[in-house]
Amino acid sequence: AQTVTQSQPEMSVQEAETVTLSCTYDTSESDYYLFWYKQPPSRQMILVIRQEAYKQQNATENRFSVNFQKAAKSFSLKISDSQLGDAAMYFCAYLNRDDKIIFGKGTRLHILP
Amino acid sequence: KAGVTQTPRYLIKTRGQQVTLSCSPISGHRSVSWYQQTPGQGLQFLFEYFSETQRNKGNFPGRFSGRQFSNSRSEMNVSTLELGDSALYLCASSLVWTQETQYFGPGTRLLVL
Repeated sequence: AQTVTQSQPEMSVQEAETVTLSCTYDTSESDYYLFWYKQPPSRQMILVIRQEAYKQQNATENRFSVNFQKAAKSFSLKISDSQLGDAAMYFCAYLNRDDKIIFGKGTRLHILP
Repeated sequence: KAGVTQTPRYLIKTRGQQVTLSCSPISGHRSVSWYQQTPGQGLQFLFEYFSETQRNKGNFPGRFSGRQFSNSRSEMNVSTLELGDSALYLCASSLVWTQETQYFGPGTRLLVL
């Protein structure tokens, strides 16, 4: 069974600075999707970024980018120019070929003004 | 387009009771997935419905069941509630059967006393 590990339960970053959230996963599959979801205090989950495993190019969405290392099974999220609205719980997730999604435990990100 | 809606937003029940939660997907979306979120277990996949059929199921006991109606609205039922069922229940909808791109609702907070 696949597992997703987020080793940083909590992180803090100064406003306007850059922060990287870590995620590793374990799988024997070669084709899958990886996601980063954001859950602000309002609790509504929002998709931040998606990466297809067969694509070597790292996904980017405005200030959010990933560093996808398939061989190392690593999928980190970089947030540039951090803003107060980025404060949230961030979940790394893996979608397997059975179309079941597995979430990591999450990283709570604090933005310091 | 209106987003995913869930009702009720908050619910208090006692052990042994049963509960029904409702989820209305984004108009045109035919797939609805349900998740349970607890501090201890994190986010866990419950089941997914597409075109009124359960396509996928997570590792939850039979007390957890669901259904989907012809208008794609979905209900989730938990019978014989236990204290451990206290959680945030999230539903997500997607256009087609895959969970590659899904949109989450605000969740229903269930407290079992």
